[in-house]
Amino acid sequence: AQKVTQAQTEISVVEKEDVTLDCVYETRDTTYYLFWYKQPPSGELVFLIRRNSFDEQNEISGRYSWNFQKSTSSFNFTITASQVVDSAVYFCALSGSTGANNLFFGTGTRLTVIP
Amino acid sequence: EAQVTQNPRYLITVTGKKLTVTCSQNMNHEYMSWYRQDPGLGLRQIYYSMNVEVTDKGDVPEGYKVSRKEKRNFPLILESPSPNQTSLYFCASSLSSPASYEQYFGPGTRLTVT
Repeated sequence: AQKVTQAQTEISVVEKEDVTLDCVYETRDTTYYLFWYKQPPSGELVFLIRRNSFDEQNEISGRYSWNFQKSTSSFNFTITASQVVDSAVYFCALSGSTGANNLFFGTGTRLTVIP
Repeated sequence: EAQVTQNPRYLITVTGKKLTVTCSQNMNHEYMSWYRQDPGLGLRQIYYSMNVEVTDKGDVPEGYKVSRKEKRNFPLILESPSPNQTSLYFCASSLSSPASYEQYFGPGTRLTVT
């Protein structure tokens, strides 16, 4: 079975602080894919990143970075120097090779950046 | 502009009155899917379709029907809506399996069943 846990329900930070959103996953598949999506207050879902299980290299995109650690089954997301526009709900998701047509989402973390 | 559209965006209805939420994509994507989003539960998959005339159940299919007669359209049908189907619904599409390709989401449909 596939499962994604985002233990942090809500996080508040002051603008310019760094913040890390945690994502822990469970899967029996050796090949799987991990995703992060952003849902701003306007409600749409915005794709941020996709990683496969064979690529443990950390990724950086501007102020965003992702840390993938198979040893701890985690795929954490860090925002550096947070901005008010980062305020959103962030979802981590998983798709495994045995359920490649399904995307399993975590319950989301609501991030509020206070100016 | 590449997009996924859903209609209506907002709908208030009564228990038992059949309704259809339409979903259309203009990207020639093979894969389409429906999710519902509920507080504290994240997004859960209702149904998905790998191609025309090919549909399959997701995690929470009870009370829903879908059809895929054309590649671009994937309507969600609630034959007899109940209050527990009050939710925010998203349609999504991708080139193929969501494991391999980014999913594009529609703007969402907020449904209230009284």
